[in-house]
Order: sequence, then structure tokens, then C-alpha cells
Amino acid sequence: QVQLQESGPGLVKPSQTLSLTCTVSGGSISSGYEYWSWIRQPAGKGLEWIGRIYSRGSTNYNPSLERRVSISMDTSKNQFSLRLSSVTDADTAVYYCAKQLNVEEFYYAMEVWGQGATVTVSS
Amino acid sequence: DIKMTQSPSTLSASVGDRVTITCRASQSVSRWLAWYQQKPGKAPELLIYKMSPELVGVPLSGVPSRFSGTASGTEFTLTISSLQPDDFATYFCQQYESFPWTFGQGTKLEIK
Repeated sequence: QVQLQESGPGLVKPSQTLSLTCTVSGGSISSGYEYWSWIRQPAGKGLEWIGRIYSRGSTNYNPSLERRVSISMDTSKNQFSLRLSSVTDADTAVYYCAKQLNVEEFYYAMEVWGQGATVTVSS
Repeated sequence: DIKMTQSPSTLSASVGDRVTITCRASQSVSRWLAWYQQKPGKAPELLIYKMSPELVGVPLSGVPSRFSGTASGTEFTLTISSLQPDDFATYFCQQYESFPWTFGQGTKLEIK
């Protein structure tokens, strides 16, 4: 069973770049045909989908963040990463990585989630 | 963006009650609607991952049978047939018909 674990700095200064990594265990990030997403949730609020990367490298992003966001993969480390530039306090949130449910190569909602990483934007 | 609107925002109920949460999409999301349960300090957990051609929610393997879903046009419901203590949590709907994927604002299910 695939498991996900987010890691990265918990504190980022305004205008700097937020960088988080999601380590995948129990499966290879690139051996199958999978989609890997990032989602965030400000404290006490709802969920916002940030974007996703396919195991072959293509990406989709939320247009509201597209100018500032980049998702990439490091197959040698079995990880995928999120970079969000020019952060403000509005980017303070719990950031989750997730994997879509794959049933016979049809892709559905997000089945496996990491435990979440809290990122605070503050000087 | 497709706006997902859940109602109610908060629901108070007792163990054993039958409860229904509604999620309305601002435009068609076809059958690509999911429901999640989230407990405080935890990641969301997927309950229902799509609507079947018969417009019934398809649960993830292992989800208790007391959780069920239906669809009618752009309105979706999640029903818990007999509330258990472990069910008191926040529930979110999510569409993945078109980008950007969007979530409802959540329904907090509280103990009465």
C-alpha cells in the first residue's frame, strides 16, 4: 500500500519560495501510470487543489496559482515536489500531497493522502 | 471554476440518526464527484470516489455500508444511515470533472 509523507520548512518569509517534498513509499513514483497532487488547507477553512503531476512528467495547475507554482518529480528519490514562489500570508496553510485512485487506468478522486505539512508565511 | 456549495454548513445529530448532506455544483460535473471525511488534525479520507451510471455513489473498498451517495443533475447527496461515534467529522465534496478541481466548503457533523 502506497504511503505519502510531506517534508519541508515550516516557516517561509514573505516574497520567498515555499518548497515541499512528498516522499512515496510502498510503490514507485514512475513505474506505473499515476497522478500525484498537491492540495492545501488554510487553518479552519476548506481545501484548495494546487496541481498535479503525471508519472510521465506532464502537469496540470490551478489557474489561480499557475504563475507561481511548479510541481516536479525526482524518480531517483521516489519523490515529487512543490514550489510556490512569491508567497504571502495567504499561502499559510497545511499542504497535503495525494495520489489519485487508479482503477484499470481510469483515474478518480484522491485515494491516498499524506499527513500534511504546516507552512506558515511570516517574517 | 465550478463552484461547489454544501449544505448545511453544520449539522447536529445523535448516534443512530440518519443524516444527509447536500452538495450542489454550479454546472455539470457529470459523474465525477467524490466525498471525503476529515477529522481534526488529519488528512481527508476518501469515502465515495465517483457516481455510477445509475447515479449512485461508488464507495472506496472498506468504507462502511452506512455511507451512501446519490446524484440528480448537479445536486449530490451523502447519507449516513445510522450515525456512529466515529462519524462525527467534517465532510467535503469535490468535483474532478474539469480543472481546477474544486471542493465544497465542508459540512461539520457535530454531536447533539
